[in-house]
Amino acid sequence: DTAVSQTPKYLVTQMGNDKSIKCEQNLGHDTMYWYKQDSKKFLKIMFSYNNKELIINETVPNRFSPKSPDKAHLNLHINSLELGDSAVYFCASSRQVLDYGYTFGSGTRLTVV
Amino acid sequence: GENVEQHPSTLSVQEGDSAVIKCTYSDSASNYFPWYKQELGKRPQLIIDIRSNVGEKKDQRIAVTLNKTAKHFSLHITETQPEDSAVYFCAVANSGYALNFGKGTSLLVTP
Repeated sequence: DTAVSQTPKYLVTQMGNDKSIKCEQNLGHDTMYWYKQDSKKFLKIMFSYNNKELIINETVPNRFSPKSPDKAHLNLHINSLELGDSAVYFCASSRQVLDYGYTFGSGTRLTVV
Repeated sequence: GENVEQHPSTLSVQEGDSAVIKCTYSDSASNYFPWYKQELGKRPQLIIDIRSNVGEKKDQRIAVTLNKTAKHFSLHITETQPEDSAVYFCAVANSGYALNFGKGTSLLVTP
């Protein structure tokens, strides 16, 4: 059983489109995260949710909108995709807020053409 | 946010040699320091971590040392093997709600 699963694994889309990435964890964790890994491998926090509530919203364009329907799911919707959005997006979870033992998902490689 | 500097950005060693990667941080309130290994095309995975009340922790061939006064911590890999080749990330947690990662070190172990 995959602990943190993301779909899709690969996503190729044209500029201007809207797309979503889904994340689910079956670990019973309270806290979930979205990180962006750019072409230079830098991992940068985008959002964090704790028990469905947004607790981190870094300086990310408002074209990015996270949604957490329940504590096991954290989805990321991106409007009006731009070339610079191309990256690998990682979902992660931890037992609770301020517990930093992350389990990462396998990543979604987004390519905007 | 927390400033985490990681060096070197690339490191090449021969099989059997040791590898050391160092990170420095800026916030003296930081209290948790994990290291992640990311193989090509895979997810980052936690390999070892240390908390601020401990100076050193070892797990088989890997160890982490922490100097709180100087605000730096290091990953030590002994008797390196080709399968140790990967990108290694340090990270720091303080009172914020997420880990701040260093920019990664690409380690290549040549047979």
